[in-house]
Amino acid sequence: EDQVTQSPEALRLQEGESSSLNCSYTVSGLRGLFWYRQDPGKGPEFLFTLYSAGEEKEKERLKATLTKKESFLHITAPKPEDSATYLCAVPPTNAGGTSYGKLTFGQGTILTVHP
Amino acid sequence: ETGVTQTPRHLVMGMTNKKSLKCEQHLGHNAMYWYKQSAKKPLELMFVYSLEERVENNSVPSRFSPECPNSSHLFLHLHTLQPEDSALYLCASSQVGGLADTQYFGPGTRLTVL
Repeated sequence: EDQVTQSPEALRLQEGESSSLNCSYTVSGLRGLFWYRQDPGKGPEFLFTLYSAGEEKEKERLKATLTKKESFLHITAPKPEDSATYLCAVPPTNAGGTSYGKLTFGQGTILTVHP
Repeated sequence: ETGVTQTPRHLVMGMTNKKSLKCEQHLGHNAMYWYKQSAKKPLELMFVYSLEERVENNSVPSRFSPECPNSSHLFLHLHTLQPEDSALYLCASSQVGGLADTQYFGPGTRLTVL
């Protein structure tokens, strides 16, 4: 069974204080890994898809990296508007049949950036 | 309209009411999903429609009934709900056949069952 674990559960940063969020996964065959941002009471907003170990993607102050066992979301010089819950998820190894679309999500990391 | 839209954004209903949630995707995708998100819990996949065919999720109570009339529209019909069904209901869509089928989410419907 696929498993995704995110750490820490909550992270409080001062504005400008860079840090990283971790997403560890256990899957039999990784087809990709997704990062989402979710604001309270809203739907998750897609950030990145990483497909293979060694891949990196950037968007503004965010940079996502992927290894064979985990992914990191690096936040450089965060601002208060970066405060949100960050979710990672992996698709099923077998994309067909009844497994289709069954993403396995982590519990999320609640990021709070203080001014 | 762009992306994935959901209506209503908020819904309060009694346990004996019947209501429906609506989702529309403007991304040209061919798969749509319903998720339930309760406080302190991971997103829970309820139903998947891929190429307009439903993939069953046997753990969902029968008081939730999905309908997908075409690849752009998805409904979730609700009847005789329980207070524990109060949650954020999210719709998502994706394109079947992509490398990893990235799912894009709507803003959600906050449901409260009294």
